[in-house]
Amino acid sequence: AQSVTQLDSQVPVFEEAPVELRCNYSSSVSVYLFWYVQYPNQGLQLLLKYLSGSTLVKGINGFEAEFNKSQTSFHLRKPSVHISDTAEYFCAVSLMIYNQGGKLIFGQGTELSVKP
Amino acid sequence: KAGVTQTPRYLIKTRGQQVTLSCSPISGHRSVSWYQQTPGQGLQFLFEYFSETQRNKGNFPGRFSGRQFSNSRSEMNVSTLELGDSALYLCASSETTGITKMNTEAFFGQGTRLTVV
Repeated sequence: AQSVTQLDSQVPVFEEAPVELRCNYSSSVSVYLFWYVQYPNQGLQLLLKYLSGSTLVKGINGFEAEFNKSQTSFHLRKPSVHISDTAEYFCAVSLMIYNQGGKLIFGQGTELSVKP
Repeated sequence: KAGVTQTPRYLIKTRGQQVTLSCSPISGHRSVSWYQQTPGQGLQFLFEYFSETQRNKGNFPGRFSGRQFSNSRSEMNVSTLELGDSALYLCASSETTGITKMNTEAFFGQGTRLTVV
């Protein structure tokens, strides 16, 4: 069964410091990987996605992620965070169900807290 | 292009009642999926509708049901509400379903926060 593990439930960091949010997945088939961000009382917004090709994926708001097939990881990074990056971040993998429809399997989320 | 619209944003219901939530997908999108978000269980898939047909369903009791109309708008219904149904319910729309959906972006609405008292 496919699953997604976000290794840190909370990540506190100071403004302008770099940050890495870790995500590992388990899958026996080709995967499509996503990172979503959720601001308080909001829905989910796509940050970036890995479908194929280059393993380094750049997204919005200065975020990037690297797909590592051998380590089954898809860690999210930002070289310098802002207060406005404070939010919850979700890693997700796309799962096909019996060739009909599909769904996203989400990790438990990582709460990023940026302090001044 | 308007985004995914969910109504209402907030709801308070009493145990035993039923509730209907609505989701209007992005224009041209035919797939609508529903997710439940709770602090304990995180984000869990409820079901997906495409062209008025349920494509697949998550592991939820039969009290949770949905439907989709010809204009792709979808409703989700929960009957005989329990305290544990308190959650943020998110709707996501996509252009397609099936194997081509796996690599397309799902656009989420702001959610409906349901509180059961």
